[in-house]
This record gives sequence, structure tokens and C-alpha cells, in this order.
Amino acid sequence: GQNIDQPTEMTATEGAIVQINCTYQTSGFNGLFWYQQHAGEAPTFLSYNVLDGLEEKGRFSSFLSRSKGYSYLLLKELQMKDSASYLCAAVDSNYQLIWGAGTKLIIKP
Amino acid sequence: EAQVTQNPRYLITVTGKKLTVTCSQNMNHEYMSWYRQDPGLGLRQIYYSMNVEVTDKGDVPEGYKVSRKEKRNFPLILESPSPNQTSLYFCASSSSRDGYTGELFFGEGSRLTVL
Repeated sequence: GQNIDQPTEMTATEGAIVQINCTYQTSGFNGLFWYQQHAGEAPTFLSYNVLDGLEEKGRFSSFLSRSKGYSYLLLKELQMKDSASYLCAAVDSNYQLIWGAGTKLIIKP
Repeated sequence: EAQVTQNPRYLITVTGKKLTVTCSQNMNHEYMSWYRQDPGLGLRQIYYSMNVEVTDKGDVPEGYKVSRKEKRNFPLILESPSPNQTSLYFCASSSSRDGYTGELFFGEGSRLTVL
């Protein structure tokens, strides 16, 4: 079966760095998305990786290892507004998204 | 402004009373999809559409219907709602090139309660 695993909840301190991991098992693979979702709001796009390596976008970076079925989202210089859920989603061979349950990130002052 | 609009945003209804949640996008996107989101389960796809008059079942289609008569609209129909359909619903759209779904743009969500 197809599966995405990510931690349920993480806590970090304002100004620090946090890494949110995601492992996936899919029938075929056509890339991996990260979305941010604030409580009660819609998910918004953060990143898409299809090749191995690190993609940096401001304070956020996303890493992919296709051979290991593994990705992480790295958030630097954490701000209170980064408190949200982070959703990992892999694209399978049929170009459908397989979603993880999300990681709730709590930022403490 | 590019957006996906859902209505209603909040709805409380009773078992068996048919309802429709509308979804409209103004980005000329080919791909549209409906998700439900429940605590601890993440997003689960209900139905999706690759283009006008083309719809397919997602992971949890039972109890739902959709139609895609126009490119911009993708309504979700609950013919006979039941309490287990109480959930937060999201409509999403993306441009679709060579089968790749592309970045999804989500509506603001519709919180449905079925009593």
C-alpha cells in the first residue's frame, strides 16, 4: 500500500531551526510537495521536489532523497507565525497525491 | 485576484437533507478536486476532475457526487448526508500539464455538520 509518515507534533523555540521529516512509500514517484496550513485555514504551497537535493526558498528549505524515500522541511529563524501544520504529499505513478496526516508545529517564545 | 471560492463556508444540516457545496475557480485550471479533512487523518480525496465532463473517484467517494459541466465550477453534492460526513471540506484546483497535478490552490474550506 501507499503510505506517508510524518511526526504528529513538534515543538520549537522562536528564532531556532526545526526539521520536519517525511518518509513515503508509493507506487511510483513523481515528486513531493510540502504545504503549510494554519489552524482553520486552507493549505498553501511551500515547495515541490522531484530531484534529489536541497531546494532553498528564503527561511524554508526542502530536501529529497528518492533512494531513501525521505524528505524534510527545514525552517530557519523561526517566527511565531510559523506555528501551523505542515503537510507532506507524494505524487504517485498516476500523478495522484498521497497525503500525510500533517505535523503540527508549535513555536514557543 | 486568482482564487478558489467555496460556498457555504459553514453549514449545519440534518441527516438526509440534500445539499450542494459549490466551488468555482478563476484561474482557467483544468484540474479540480474535492478533499475532506478530519483530525488525525489528513486530507482525503473524494473526487477529482482532469477537465470538463471528466470526473474520477478519489479515496473516499461513497455518499458524494460531483459534476464538471463548466471548466470553472466543480460542485460537490451530498444526496443524503449522514453524520459521518461531518467534516471540513476543501476544493482545490491546479493547472495540469502532461498529467502532473501541479501546485494546488485551495478554497477557504467548508465546515459541514450533519446532525
